[in-house]
Amino acid sequence: DVVMTQSPLTLPVTLGQPASISCRSSQSLLYSDGNTLLMWFHQRPGRSPRRLIYNIFNRDSGVPDRFSGSGSGTDFTLRISRVEAEDVGVYYCMQYIRWPHTFGQGTNLEIK
Amino acid sequence: EVQLVESGGGLVQPGESLRLSCAASGFTFSDYWMSWIRQTPGKGLEWVAQIKQDGSEKYYVDSVKGRFTVSRDNAKSSLYLQMDSLRVDDTAVYYCSSGTSHWGQGTLVTVSS
Repeated sequence: DVVMTQSPLTLPVTLGQPASISCRSSQSLLYSDGNTLLMWFHQRPGRSPRRLIYNIFNRDSGVPDRFSGSGSGTDFTLRISRVEAEDVGVYYCMQYIRWPHTFGQGTNLEIK
Repeated sequence: EVQLVESGGGLVQPGESLRLSCAASGFTFSDYWMSWIRQTPGKGLEWVAQIKQDGSEKYYVDSVKGRFTVSRDNAKSSLYLQMDSLRVDDTAVYYCSSGTSHWGQGTLVTVSS
């Protein structure tokens, strides 16, 4: 299975400050069609995960533009330009180039 | 508005069976791959099973192969997960998902003696 490794696992951030989460895959996620099959999800406490970004950097409808994704191959980053209170929760990266799709361990973003 | 509503979870003993259902609305169900994903505090998120639009392809994570069966009824916009020979480590919240973009609220399955 493709192993997804996130860091940090806990991320304390001051409101209004930027945040960055790293995700590394054990294999390249570059697909033959040129897309890189990496997604980011956000899960608020007590809620279902919500997809934020697909194919490294494409934001889903309704996702604020303070969220951005970057990276290539095996190294990826999710950035939040200015953290807001509603951004708390756990962030997961996920690969879907190989079955089974696999998630990172999650990064718990909390407000300082 | 896309809605996915899971049902069928509950408390069962090891070795017993359970059938989960997911009722979909707000989108053309037959156009999408559908999936079951589970979440536990210990193991995090795990993609359990996936089924193609017409049901012709199905994929399972190794830990459930031979025990779980995913199916769908496009006429009813419904997804199912038949879970047999349940084990304690199958205890989790089970979500259905359309493609990967929308998830239901989840249904809790507890396997315990």
